[in-house]
Amino acid sequence: EVQLVESGGGLVQPGGSLRLSCAASGFTFSSYEMNWVRQAPGKGLEWVSYISSSGSTIYYADSVKGRFTISRDNAKNSLYLQMNSLRAEDTAVYYCARVRSFVGAFDIWGQGTMVTVSS
Amino acid sequence: EIVMTQSPATLSVSPGERATLSCRASQSVSSNLAWYQQKPGQAPRLLIYGASTRATGIPARFSGSGSGTEFTLTISSLQSEDFAVYYCQQYNNWPTTFGGGTKVEIK
Repeated sequence: EVQLVESGGGLVQPGGSLRLSCAASGFTFSSYEMNWVRQAPGKGLEWVSYISSSGSTIYYADSVKGRFTISRDNAKNSLYLQMNSLRAEDTAVYYCARVRSFVGAFDIWGQGTMVTVSS
Repeated sequence: EIVMTQSPATLSVSPGERATLSCRASQSVSSNLAWYQQKPGQAPRLLIYGASTRATGIPARFSGSGSGTEFTLTISSLQSEDFAVYYCQQYNNWPTTFGGGTKVEIK
């Protein structure tokens, strides 16, 4: 079964750090581009970051640029999001999402992990 | 950044009726437009990509149309499981952007 499972969320104080992980299974992870997308409570979807299949191309939303770092380990079938200097407005469910080959749409999503930034 | 505007924000429909959701882009995105369905407490699910191609396993009652800046998602006969929030997304330009969503609720 094709699956993405996020972990690493939790409660963190403003200014703190957190590292999210996304474990992939059921497909050849190294062949797919990946993204992080977040959703604040009661709000819509916001794209956060993109990484190419090899890791050579990376993009960030302006809202997280300079604070978040996306990475991947194809040998471990895993995607990561290092989040530093966290703010209250970063509070959200964070989803990892796979890019459908040759299309660009996000065809597989994880169940999400909640990040709460609060003192 | 391309702004995606969805309308209406909420759509009240009776089961069995047709639902028409709109999505407008602030500039042309060609046919690089996707639709997602999200139910409470669940991750989004891809319904449509390429503006009109149904994703794997999506019932034929879901159809997408449009190109350029105007797009439509039509649900031909609403089933109980279709009541949810629907988002459009453009992936023609970085950053990829989502619309604010349309909530389809039971009338």
